[in-house]
Amino acid sequence: GIQVEQSPPDLILQEGANSTLRCNFSDSVNNLQWFHQNPWGQLINLFYIPSGTKQNGRLSATTVATERYSLLYISSSQTTDSGVYFCAVDGNSGYALNFGKGTSLLVTP
Amino acid sequence: GAGVSQTPSNKVTEKGKYVELRCDPISGHTALYWYRQSLGQGPEFLIYFQGTGAADDSGLPNDRFFAVRPEGSVSTLKIQRTERGDSAMYLCASSSQGGTGELFFGEGSRLTVL
Repeated sequence: GIQVEQSPPDLILQEGANSTLRCNFSDSVNNLQWFHQNPWGQLINLFYIPSGTKQNGRLSATTVATERYSLLYISSSQTTDSGVYFCAVDGNSGYALNFGKGTSLLVTP
Repeated sequence: GAGVSQTPSNKVTEKGKYVELRCDPISGHTALYWYRQSLGQGPEFLIYFQGTGAADDSGLPNDRFFAVRPEGSVSTLKIQRTERGDSAMYLCASSSQGGTGELFFGEGSRLTVL
């Protein structure tokens, strides 16, 4: 099946810093989503972005489908940004999302 | 409802018992998914419903796991003869369309098997 690799696996930032999270995938996709998993386990939708660029406040994302990667940018990070960020893509099934292992982000005051 | 609702939020049971986990999708969403997430891992696909039928149950780990969606809305994931290895977060998601539609997840049901 399709492989999803996220980097870095862990990241520690000081409040106010910027960061870039990367997601590489091994095949063409029709669906790519970024999620933030909060400390209680809920997956919060950040972006539905199979291609192109989107922005939502301090967050933005870019997917370059032809080169099989997506980037999530976090600017002016806040402690509430802490948690695990997942990239997920549809695999060969065309509907089931395959998740990467996530990037665990800790933002310190 | 406004979002995907899952109950119970937490379930502690003993090895060998039967467990049911419930998912109420976003109103009008025809596609429903169950995922399982172990500690430190990303969610893994279990089963996909389009309407009332299970379109793909290839992710169910064995025949102790079964899921239904009799009226095309609420779904129940059933686990028989639970084992300690079944302990995990069980996540439900729904989408307004199958295929490439955006998935929205519930808060999950955390299952602990003692």
